[in-house]
This record gives sequence, C-alpha cells and structure tokens, in this order.
Amino acid sequence: GAVVSQHPSRVICKSGTSVKIECRSLDFQATTMFWYRQFPKQSLMLMATSNEGSKATYEQGVEKDKFLINHASLTLSTLTVTSAHPEDSSFYICSARDPGQGINQPQHFGDGTRLSIL
Amino acid sequence: AQTVTQSQPEMSVQEAETVTLSCTYDTSESDYYLFWYKQPPSRQMILVIRQEAYKQQNATENRFSVNFQKAAKSFSLKISDSQLGDAAMYFCALIQGAQKLVFGQGTRLTINP
Repeated sequence: GAVVSQHPSRVICKSGTSVKIECRSLDFQATTMFWYRQFPKQSLMLMATSNEGSKATYEQGVEKDKFLINHASLTLSTLTVTSAHPEDSSFYICSARDPGQGINQPQHFGDGTRLSIL
Repeated sequence: AQTVTQSQPEMSVQEAETVTLSCTYDTSESDYYLFWYKQPPSRQMILVIRQEAYKQQNATENRFSVNFQKAAKSFSLKISDSQLGDAAMYFCALIQGAQKLVFGQGTRLTINP
C-alpha cells in the first residue's frame, strides 16, 4: 500500500486563491520530504527540500514567498501556493525518504496534485 | 553538479519484443545510486529497478534489467517481452550521499499491439 499520502489529488480554483497541498508519510517518520513540480511532457523538477523543524531549502529560481513550505511534524509537510495564478498550474508531487532505510532505498512518492488555476 | 541525460524523447516497440532505453549521467562521486522510474498516465511514480554504483553486477527485476557501465557513466534499461502495461514515461534518476534525486528528461514508451 501507499506509504506517502498526498492530498488533494485535484484542485481547480480562481486566480488569486492560495492553495495548500499536504504530504503525509504513513508508515515512517520523515525528517526530510521533497516537493517537485512537473509540467506536461516534462520531467520532475525539484522545487524544495522540506526539513522537519527548520526552514525549507529552495532550489534556485523557486520563489520562497510564493511556495510556502511547512514541515511541522515528522509525518506532515505542506506546500502552500500563495495567490496562485494560471502560470502556477502544474502537477505537484511530494516524496519522502524513510531515514531508517539506507540511501540506496528509493524515495516514496505521493500520487501528486494536479493544480489548475482559472 | 550531477546531471542525468535521456537522449530518446520517444520510443516504441511491438508487444512481446525487447526495447532498450538509454541513460547517461555525470557525477564526481564514486558512491551513488541509480534508479529507473515508470510514470504511467495516472502519473504515479513507480520504481522499476535500482543499481548501486559499487556493484558490478547488473540489476534485474523480472522482465526489467539494466546495463550499467560505470566507466562510461551509462545506465540503460532493457525491457523484455514488452507488455501493453509497460507503456509509460520512464525516468532515469541518480542520487548520491543523502542528497536529492536528479531526474533525466524522460522517455515516452509506446507499446504497439
């Protein structure tokens, strides 16, 4: 079964709305989670690394004030797209690594969130 | 910096035939891990196979196998006896240390019945 749960799976909202996406690790405590963005027919691009109890690490070119990340517990990270606009429409995917496993063990991915801004 | 390159945007194969997807990468580290992920239309990311760089033996998972050439920094995926359910985007990925996954551009695989 799924070990990482992502919610919601689909969001359609008006321009200017803020949207929150949740990523939960179900079977383990994740000190680190990752947020990716995927445009149609393109690869996954890492947006930020979410660290439990500390600030997220953002990739170059990702606006920190636009994409707010909170990792307040060992099983939950949230991505909030603030004042979303049509250009923010995309597929967002989270992943988490079980720290109890070695790094040769793959990250577990959520099922993704399709965000559409009208 | 790590890079992963998939030079085949699209590939197609007849059902039951064999197809090979190419991947090359670049890293300055000697200890790293390589993965192939499958992303079907549902857009779930499904791990297909993994390879530890320190292992010389090529990884195999049922119909899926890799050709890992460390000196050439090449990591191709072979799918034998292709099935309709194998149709998907395939991403090659690399990780080193406790760092982030780096993905290739992806290859869209079509299976012709």
